[in-house]
Amino acid sequence: NAGVTQTPKFQVLKTGQSMTLQCAQDMNHEYMSWYRQDPGMGLRLIHYSVGAGITDQGEVPNGYNVSRSTTEDFPLRLLSAAPSQTSVYFCASKNSRNTEAFFGQGTRLTVV
Amino acid sequence: SQQGEEDPQALSIQEGENATMNCSYKTSINNLQWYRQNSGRGLVHLILIRSNEREKHSGRLRVTLDTSKKSSSLLITASRAADTASYFCATVPYSGAGSYQLTFGKGTKLSVIP
Repeated sequence: NAGVTQTPKFQVLKTGQSMTLQCAQDMNHEYMSWYRQDPGMGLRLIHYSVGAGITDQGEVPNGYNVSRSTTEDFPLRLLSAAPSQTSVYFCASKNSRNTEAFFGQGTRLTVV
Repeated sequence: SQQGEEDPQALSIQEGENATMNCSYKTSINNLQWYRQNSGRGLVHLILIRSNEREKHSGRLRVTLDTSKKSSSLLITASRAADTASYFCATVPYSGAGSYQLTFGKGTKLSVIP
């Protein structure tokens, strides 16, 4: 059981470039979410999904897009990277609303 | 906005001592969870306590919840160097409110000195 898998682990982008952070889970979880973690800020919710075809915005959605075409995958797209998006990104999934979350190992993104 | 706020922000103790971290939150919750994050790694779930529970144990971990004060504490007994990590509390809102997703505090960085 792989759990939640994120790729890539590290990425450097130039300002204005676009890219997709991949997230896949093999636990058949309905709930998936993306967080960013910045020093001293804890984790902040970017976007989330409560099932295939259903997504919604979190606390800090600007500059990011998501889609959920399958239960397993929940990619995060950066449309036009900015230095303010330099962060560590975590994908998480959970079985139902009130259960614990399982996290991927994170993607460390630097935008120069 | 941050729901949980941990206190202290950083804690340094000797191996074998107990470590206590506190978390305060703002709105009604269904449950509160504690996570550990080792440096450079993802978060790992430690324990979940529901709003109708007051105390929960798991191994060397003891969590309390006081919904009247909107606060929780995590006690790690007989700490080990391997407990060195950041600890986060996270809340799931009460039914009908919010995104159903976890809202995290800023964390407590625990250092256990061998």
